[in-house]
Amino acid sequence: GENVGLHLPTLSVQEGDNSIINCAYSNSASDYFIWYKQESGKGPQFIIDIRSNMDKRQGQRVTVLLNKTVKHLSLQIAATQPGDSAVYFCAENSRGGGADGLTFGKGTHLIIQP
Amino acid sequence: GAGVSQTPSNKVTEKGKYVELRCDPISGHTALYWYRQSLGQGPEFLIYFQGTGAADDSGLPNDRFFAVRPEGSVSTLKIQRTERGDSAVYLCASSFIGTTEAFFGQGTRLTVV
Repeated sequence: GENVGLHLPTLSVQEGDNSIINCAYSNSASDYFIWYKQESGKGPQFIIDIRSNMDKRQGQRVTVLLNKTVKHLSLQIAATQPGDSAVYFCAENSRGGGADGLTFGKGTHLIIQP
Repeated sequence: GAGVSQTPSNKVTEKGKYVELRCDPISGHTALYWYRQSLGQGPEFLIYFQGTGAADDSGLPNDRFFAVRPEGSVSTLKIQRTERGDSAVYLCASSFIGTTEAFFGQGTRLTVV
């Protein structure tokens, strides 16, 4: 999995399958965790966030799971589509609820196979 | 426009020159952020504005980097005496205060030769 530290460069999945992208973090003081999607030549796009007092949050086709015991975060994408191909970054924030001072991981490149 | 706009989209400059990068945030967003992204890396925080003031400039790497937002809208990132290591994509984002849902622009690709 990805660490705000290490990274799994590429994840390849079949179209229609579910994808799971993992991220480990090191700062136990982080209170917000955010997933961003970045397509080639574009800026990062917010997907979903989760506060440290939650362990699960769901959006449209996406679910983020947070395990504070082992400092692990994951993004699950249901029924992946070609448009999901991108680099996915987890980011953490220890400065409150804004996007100030986010610490990003190096990213996981998700490739959708037809 | 509806999104964050950054100009220029590409900038090539010679080592030692001065550059300015511009960001037009989403109308109504009082929070504005600058990040930079090197190839194959995640974005790295530079500076955060609340309105006109820099609320957090702890990410600026050295005193060659400076940013302003005089009227609380458009922001300019200024880099003096550019070095080859400054080459990166400079990203600007904006949001409402206190939300993690920041909207990023497409970035300015700076190349120092």
